[in-house]
Amino acid sequence: QQQVKQSPQSLIVQKGGIPIINCAYENTAFDYFPWYQQFPGKGPALLIAIRPDVSEKKEGRFTISFNKSAKQFSLHIMDSQPGDSATYFCAASTSGTYKYIFGTGTRLKVLA
Amino acid sequence: DTAVSQTPKYLVTQMGNDKSIKCEQNLGHDTMYWYKQDSKKFLKIMFSYNNKELIINETVPNRFSPKSPDKAHLNLHINSLELGDSAVYFCASSPRSDTQYFGPGTRLTVL
Repeated sequence: QQQVKQSPQSLIVQKGGIPIINCAYENTAFDYFPWYQQFPGKGPALLIAIRPDVSEKKEGRFTISFNKSAKQFSLHIMDSQPGDSATYFCAASTSGTYKYIFGTGTRLKVLA
Repeated sequence: DTAVSQTPKYLVTQMGNDKSIKCEQNLGHDTMYWYKQDSKKFLKIMFSYNNKELIINETVPNRFSPKSPDKAHLNLHINSLELGDSAVYFCASSPRSDTQYFGPGTRLTVL
């Protein structure tokens, strides 16, 4: 119940394409869903996050779609660029628990 | 200004040795964490401290001992290092229980 399942494991798109990364969870107590971006040799950095009271959140070229009934959320990257090539992690947590459960990561490569 | 810093960045050592990794945050956050990222990039929480008090202790061997001398520092000491301890260790901090800010990582290699 504590798992967050992330797919796909890896993804290759052409520049300008719209990669979509999906995550699913079981624990209905989760109320915070962040996405992190990690470049090689660096720590994960927060990209965008959503709470279950909204179904979509957009920040620049990054959009989270959230489906509470299906217990799924996804990251869309509009007009992807080679500089977006990185590993992306979804995560889930419950307020006050100080504990993130991370997905297994998606390695994205955007071809020039 | 580095928000969350870790030292050293790389650590290569022999099996059986004892080593420490240091972490400092200048964000004024109350909560700090240690994560382990294995060779498959899987990120798993190890410990969390809130205001110098241990609040999360996952199923980590007791060879791993965190120490928080103050709110801005969380160090990780590892005794009797084993081959399976080789990984990248990340420190993180957060102002509340949501957004976490990660350090640059310490790559530990046990020979």
